[in-house]
Amino acid sequence: DQQVKQNSPSLSVQEGRISILNCDYTNSMFDYFLWYKKYPAEGPTFLISISSIKDKNEDGRFTVFLNKSAKHLSLHIVPSQPGDSAVYFCAACFTFGNEKLTFGTGTRLTIIP
Amino acid sequence: NAGVTQTPKFRILKIGQSMTLQCTQDMNHNYMYWYRQDPGMGLKLIYYSVGAGITDKGEVPNGYNVSRSTTEDFPLRLELAAPSQTSVYFCASSLRTSGNLGYTFGSGTRLTVV
Repeated sequence: DQQVKQNSPSLSVQEGRISILNCDYTNSMFDYFLWYKKYPAEGPTFLISISSIKDKNEDGRFTVFLNKSAKHLSLHIVPSQPGDSAVYFCAACFTFGNEKLTFGTGTRLTIIP
Repeated sequence: NAGVTQTPKFRILKIGQSMTLQCTQDMNHNYMYWYRQDPGMGLKLIYYSVGAGITDKGEVPNGYNVSRSTTEDFPLRLELAAPSQTSVYFCASSLRTSGNLGYTFGSGTRLTVV
């Protein structure tokens, strides 16, 4: 039972344009969501997060949007840069518990120069 | 600023052999985790620990054991290696404070069982 889903395994975007990565979840108890970025042969690194009490969180070129009614979140990267080429994982957890993260399967983003 | 350190980076095991994947963190994080990542899949939680002396099973614990005798170290033990355990293993740690729920990951151990 995949509770966190990233339905697009890959995405290609022109440099300078907007990249939009999507994530859906099924468990309505999740109340905290995170995005991680992973380069080959490295561990995932934390990118941005959002609490369920918000619908938007912004950090520089990265913005995460949360739609609780649709159980959907998205990561927007504007403008996209070649260094953004990586695999992006969406993750979710229950903050009232022990905060184990449940990860999606990842989306490979390729920025085309 | 070492963060989370995993050793070894690569290992090839024969079926039935055993090994320990080492993980240590120097950030005084109370929570530590072991995940595995199979090709095309997300990270699956194997075991986790909320503090020294306390461990619990995650989503895919079979074939593995852990211990947490100190805050810093969280080794993962494979007793009888099987081909299904071929994967990339990531250790992570976190500090449970308000507004900071991000994990810090190690760089991974790529294990092949033949």
